[in-house]
Amino acid sequence: DAGVTQSPTHLIKTRGQHVTLRCSPISGHKSVSWYQQVLGQGPQFIFQYYEKEERGRGNFPDRFSARQFPNYSSELNVNALLLGDSALYLCASSLFQLLLGTEAFFGQGTRLTVV
Amino acid sequence: ILNVEQSPQSLHVQEGDSTNFTCSFPSSNFYALHWYRWETAKSPEALFVMTLNGDEKKKGRISATLNTKEGYSYLYIKGSQPEDSATYLCAFSGNQFYFGTGTSLTVIP
Repeated sequence: DAGVTQSPTHLIKTRGQHVTLRCSPISGHKSVSWYQQVLGQGPQFIFQYYEKEERGRGNFPDRFSARQFPNYSSELNVNALLLGDSALYLCASSLFQLLLGTEAFFGQGTRLTVV
Repeated sequence: ILNVEQSPQSLHVQEGDSTNFTCSFPSSNFYALHWYRWETAKSPEALFVMTLNGDEKKKGRISATLNTKEGYSYLYIKGSQPEDSATYLCAFSGNQFYFGTGTSLTVIP
């Protein structure tokens, strides 16, 4: 079985541009959550989606948005990129919502560099 | 915003030594505590999910304990090997994951 896959693995964008990151969960998993990790810090929660509905949102500006598709894959969109958006973006897949203490499996992440 | 703290921030041990790290979290509204092992350029690897006070879990030379009343979890590694070198992250699970900043372990051959 394939694990959680994220694309692209690396990305360089210019300030002000828009970016779309993609995540395919483990087959059968219905929940996807997104995290931002900057150097020296632990991952910070951005969004959780379960059964195609947003079930949680972290403390990120409205420039960050996401959605989940009928096949449970997900996209994270970031508009009007800032230098501070440079980070590793992780996607995690789980069978159920995180609130239920379900195990979550992570992808390798997308390294975004904003110049 | 919940505060999850891990200590120490980094650790260097000799091969064969046993070691342990601490994860501290709020004791209220607890759902689950997760431990992950994260090697550079790889995905975080799930080690344990613990939900009940007093839980003890073991996987090979690695084990973990949970105290939800006082808000801490310990991760133990017995007989450390160079391949154990990684960052160990804990995450407090509510309606999202609240991660600590991790403990970076280096095992010196």
